[in-house]
Amino acid sequence: LAKTTQPISMDSYEGQEVNITCSHNNIATNDYITWYQQFPSQGPRFIIQGYKTKVTNEVASLFIPADRKSSTLSLPRVSLSDTAVYYCLVGDLNYKLSFGAGTTVTVRA
Amino acid sequence: NAGVTQTPKFQVLKTGQSMTLQCAQDMNHEYMSWYRQDPGMGLRLIHYSVGAGITDQGEVPNGYNVSRSTTEDFPLRLLSAAPSQTSVYFCASSYSTGDHYEQYFGPGTRLTVT
Repeated sequence: LAKTTQPISMDSYEGQEVNITCSHNNIATNDYITWYQQFPSQGPRFIIQGYKTKVTNEVASLFIPADRKSSTLSLPRVSLSDTAVYYCLVGDLNYKLSFGAGTTVTVRA
Repeated sequence: NAGVTQTPKFQVLKTGQSMTLQCAQDMNHEYMSWYRQDPGMGLRLIHYSVGAGITDQGEVPNGYNVSRSTTEDFPLRLLSAAPSQTSVYFCASSYSTGDHYEQYFGPGTRLTVT
């Protein structure tokens, strides 16, 4: 299983871009990189998934370099409602997967 | 759609007691799984199922049993509760399109073992 490492916490202000980097040095060929968002007393919620290069959806972008040993979740123009814990998940379609410990993002006015 | 539902929301057990955490999904997903979440450790996979009648162990299976008799339900049984099983338990269901998979999580069950 790929070991995932991400920062414990990050602070930001409304309207700024937040970038969270996850390190996964021993990622396997079949592994995908997925990011989840979790609010207190709720289950994690899917944000974005990628295999290589860049993926963008309506809420975030995911940057994956060619060696795939890290990935960066980018949240553009954050608001107070983006305050949450963000988890990096590395794994394949057969439940060989590993969650990071999570990054607490705090957005201030 | 209700999505993934879990019952109960909270539970307190004494050491040695047994109980079943219920999980149901109405999205017709083939894949279901159970995780536990402990402070500072992210989520760890307990058991998973890739279809009715098929289950397998995850990273931390000891002390837990599962079965999958229907596509919709995936209960988690604690055989003899221990204080080390105090945690928040999440059930998830997921689908795969071959190059994309997405997990949908339930609201969680907060379990305390005294």
